[in-house]
Amino acid sequence: DIQMTQSPSSLSASVGDRVTITCRASQGIRNDLGWYQQKPGKAPKRLIYAASSLQSGVPSRFSGSGSGTEFTLTISSLQPEDFATYYCLQHNSYSYTFGQGTKLEIK
Amino acid sequence: QITLKESGPTLVKPTQTLTLTCTFSGFSLSTSGVGVGWIRQPPGKALEWLALIYWNDDKRYSPSLKSRLTITKDTSKNQVVLTMTNMDPVDTATYYCAHSYYYGSFIYWGQGTLVTVSS
Repeated sequence: DIQMTQSPSSLSASVGDRVTITCRASQGIRNDLGWYQQKPGKAPKRLIYAASSLQSGVPSRFSGSGSGTEFTLTISSLQPEDFATYYCLQHNSYSYTFGQGTKLEIK
Repeated sequence: QITLKESGPTLVKPTQTLTLTCTFSGFSLSTSGVGVGWIRQPPGKALEWLALIYWNDDKRYSPSLKSRLTITKDTSKNQVVLTMTNMDPVDTATYYCAHSYYYGSFIYWGQGTLVTVSS
């Protein structure tokens, strides 16, 4: 099974800050990775697919990079609506795996 | 427009079998590449992938839950059914179904349904 290690588990930041979240795969997954944003009581929303492709309708301040085993989600300038929990999802292997999540809070 | 909606019991007793139905519209599970998966989230915890079924009847399960899960599809009804046996209070969670395309990540999600396991 492929394990996804996501860090940090929580992050405090201010509006306007640049933040980066990382996911590491226990083995190579090419670019078979998506990033999701989840707000309380809501279903996750896909932000990034294929590691670096921006989902239609998602602001360009969100970006993804990486391939193989290390991936990052970057928010270039935090907006108030970005405070949420973020998850990565690998879909390379027979079974899918989510990261443990990063809760992004207002400093 | 693609939509998915989960339905099933809100409360089950320990040891019982849970049956959840995902009813969708806007796509067909007979179309090449299409898949529907199940994901759950215990209160305050992370997302956990459970199972997936594809247009060609390829079925995939979480290794840790494989012995308890069965996923099936009814193409004519636009439904996917997930059964989970031997329910335990730790299985209390919001259960989501979601659409996938060609073994990719989930794009469209249902609103989720909260299932509580308690005697």
